[in-house]
Amino acid sequence: QLQLQESGPGLVKPSETLSLTCTVSGGSISSNSHYWGWIRQPPGAGLEWIGSVHYSGSTYDNPSLRSRVTISVDTSRNRFVLKLSSVTAADTALYYCARQTLLVISPIDYWGQGILVTVSS
Amino acid sequence: DIQMTQSPSSVSASVGDRVTITCRASQGISTLLAWYQQRPGKAPKLLIQAASKLQSGVPSRFSGSGSGTDFTLTIGSLQPEDFATYYCQQTNSFPPTFGLGTKLAIK
Repeated sequence: QLQLQESGPGLVKPSETLSLTCTVSGGSISSNSHYWGWIRQPPGAGLEWIGSVHYSGSTYDNPSLRSRVTISVDTSRNRFVLKLSSVTAADTALYYCARQTLLVISPIDYWGQGILVTVSS
Repeated sequence: DIQMTQSPSSVSASVGDRVTITCRASQGISTLLAWYQQRPGKAPKLLIQAASKLQSGVPSRFSGSGSGTDFTLTIGSLQPEDFATYYCQQTNSFPPTFGLGTKLAIK
């Protein structure tokens, strides 16, 4: 059974870079058929797709985040990493890592449990 | 970006009721729409993709329909575990976007 697990700091200071890791178990991240992505959910609010990466290294991110996003993949460790720069309080959210099948715009068929990141000094 | 509008934003119903949630896209998306269920404190779960294709393991009381700009999610006979928030997502064009959610509460 595929499992995804987010890890990283729960508190980040304004203007700094948020960095989260998603470790995949029960399956290989080196699949040609899947994209590995990040979605976030501010407290009490809806869902926002942040971006996704293919094991080949191709990445796609949401233009709304104004190029603050970097997503990379580490196939040797079966994990992928999100970096979000210049964070503000508006970036406080529950961050989920996830899998999409076939296309970067495909539905999300597996989700991690989520990690709460608070941006505060 | 394609805007997804869900209605109602919240609804109250009783066990055994039939409930319909609607989702409207700001432009045509064919049948490239997904529905998710999110229970409190849990990650969303994919229920339906391609507007009407039920994911494996999802009870048959859930059904989806629609094409173009207007879509519906229907729950045939509400069970206690169905009380949750439901989101639609367009998977037609980049970037994928979600509706704001419909909270289904117990009456």
